[in-house]
Amino acid sequence: DAGVTQSPTHLIKTRGQQVTLRCSPKSGHDTVSWYQQALGQGPQFIFQYYEEEERQRGNFPDRFSGHQFPNYSSELNVNALLLGDSALYLCASSTRVFHQETQYFGPGTRLLVL
Amino acid sequence: GIQVEQSPPDLILQEGANSTLRCNFSDSVNNLQWFHQNPWGQLINLFYIPSGTKQNGRLSATTVATERYSLLYISSSQTTDSGVYFCAVYNAGNNRKLIWGLGTSLAVNP
Repeated sequence: DAGVTQSPTHLIKTRGQQVTLRCSPKSGHDTVSWYQQALGQGPQFIFQYYEEEERQRGNFPDRFSGHQFPNYSSELNVNALLLGDSALYLCASSTRVFHQETQYFGPGTRLLVL
Repeated sequence: GIQVEQSPPDLILQEGANSTLRCNFSDSVNNLQWFHQNPWGQLINLFYIPSGTKQNGRLSATTVATERYSLLYISSSQTTDSGVYFCAVYNAGNNRKLIWGLGTSLAVNP
């Protein structure tokens, strides 16, 4: 049973560039959530996708956008990168079956913006 | 919005010692999870425990939803237990975004 996978594992970009991060959910899961974790902090919720639509969004600017594909995989796009976007980006998958809403996390993508 | 507070923020133990980590939350919740983040950043699910008590090996957790707190017990700690322990909740209703505490950073020395 494959767990949550993310790619790439590490990424270095410069200010102003754009980046796309990818996530494949755990088998049987249909919901993908994205989180940003700055060094020494807890994860912060960016948004969640279900049925190929953004269902909830945290306090992140429109530079952060996403997509979910019919196979439930997801992408996170960040435009006009800022130094402050340097962080660990975590993808979590879950299912909306009642009482089975545990979120499982991928290994993350470490983004460094120079 | 809901607030999640964890204590202590830092903890240093000798191998073999026991510890209790606490998570307080400010509102009713319908999901509470404990995670361990290893030094490489991987978040590992420990417990899904919106109420009651669960045990898994040397770890156990108890959530008292009516009093708005959860406890994570680590017994006979090992160096591999080192890392950051996070508590995260959904508040009541249809909101499915996890709200996180700041974590407890645990170092277990040999």
